[in-house]
Amino acid sequence: EVQLVESGGGLVQPGGSLRLSCAASGFTFNNYAMSWVRQAPGKGLEWVSAISGRGGSTYYADSVKGRFTISRDNSKNTLYVQMNSLRAEDTAVYYCAKPLSSSWTPYDYWGQGTLVTVSS
Amino acid sequence: DIQMTQSPSSLSASVGDRVTITCRASQSISSYLNWYQQKPGKAPKLLIYAASSLQSAVPSKFSGGGSGTDFTLTINSLQPEDFATYYCQQSSTTPYTFGQGTKLEIK
Repeated sequence: EVQLVESGGGLVQPGGSLRLSCAASGFTFNNYAMSWVRQAPGKGLEWVSAISGRGGSTYYADSVKGRFTISRDNSKNTLYVQMNSLRAEDTAVYYCAKPLSSSWTPYDYWGQGTLVTVSS
Repeated sequence: DIQMTQSPSSLSASVGDRVTITCRASQSISSYLNWYQQKPGKAPKLLIYAASSLQSAVPSKFSGGGSGTDFTLTINSLQPEDFATYYCQQSSTTPYTFGQGTKLEIK
């Protein structure tokens, strides 16, 4: 059974940093690109970032480019996102997502999400 | 970036109704269009991918169509469990943008 479990969310001050993790199981992790998608409270879904199976290619939304870094450790079946220079508008539930096939999307499995709150 | 616009933003319907939600891309995305359903407090669920392919275990009451810039999600014979928010997503080019969502409510 595929499982994605995010962790690392919490309360952080504006300008601060946080690293989220997504522990994956139930599939051959390094065969799949992985993504982060976020959802601000009461708002819609926003695609954040994606990384290829071996980690050689990464993509970012303009809203996080230069502040967030996506990475993965295939030996630990874990996806990460390092979030720096956090802003109030980064407050959201962050989901990791696995694609249906060897492509980048669509996402057939999602984690339960981890809440990041940026506030003083 | 490709902008995705859904209409309507909200929709009231009754059990047993058939509804159609539209998604328009700001440029052609061929058939690289996915639909998700999200219920409050839950992660999104994939319904349709590649514009019209039904995801495994999703009831055939859900169907998708379109290509290029205009797409539709149709839900037949609405049941109480179908009342949720629906999102389209383009997977043509990064960033893989989502529509703003359509909230389907019980009339």
